[in-house]
Amino acid sequence: GQNIDQPTEMTATEGAIVQINCTYQTSGFNGLFWYQQHAGEAPTFLSYNVLDGLEEKGRFSSFLSRSKGYSYLLLKELQMKDSASYLCAVRLQLPGNTPLVFGKGTRLSVIA
Amino acid sequence: EAQVTQNPRYLITVTGKKLTVTCSQNMNHEYMSWYRQDPGLGLRQIYYSMNVEVTDKGDVPEGYKVSRKEKRNFPLILESPSPNQTSLYFCASSLSFFRSTPDTQYFGPGTRLTVL
Repeated sequence: GQNIDQPTEMTATEGAIVQINCTYQTSGFNGLFWYQQHAGEAPTFLSYNVLDGLEEKGRFSSFLSRSKGYSYLLLKELQMKDSASYLCAVRLQLPGNTPLVFGKGTRLSVIA
Repeated sequence: EAQVTQNPRYLITVTGKKLTVTCSQNMNHEYMSWYRQDPGLGLRQIYYSMNVEVTDKGDVPEGYKVSRKEKRNFPLILESPSPNQTSLYFCASSLSFFRSTPDTQYFGPGTRLTVL
């Protein structure tokens, strides 16, 4: 089966840097997404990696190592509004797989 | 404005009473999907559709039906709802699932369903 692991909760201080890890064991990898979800709201797209390496987008960066089945989301200069859940999702090759599988999410609390 | 809409946003119903949650997108997207989100379980895919008249089961399809008669609409049907279908439901769409570019999904606002 497909398995995606993320820490359940993390806490970090305003202005700091936090790294949220995601490990996956899947068949037919075809890209990895990170989404942000505030409580009671819909997920919104943050980043996408399909090749190894780092993708940077403002305060957010995402890294992928396909050989290790590993990704992380890096958030810099944390702000209170970054308190949210962060979802790692793996896109799988078809046929034979569910197209997109989500991890259970990491709830990040940013404290002053 | 490009968006995915869902209706209703909140629904309380009773066991066995058929219901439909509508989903509509105005972006001419080919791919649409339904998810449910439960505490401790994350987002799980119920059904998806690659294009009109093409639908497939996701990880948790039991108790649900879908149809894709037109590109913009992808309703979720619960023929006989049960309490274990109490959940937060999201509809999502993207241009095409097969592209290798970051073809992100756009999510609707969610439907919170309670089945008593």
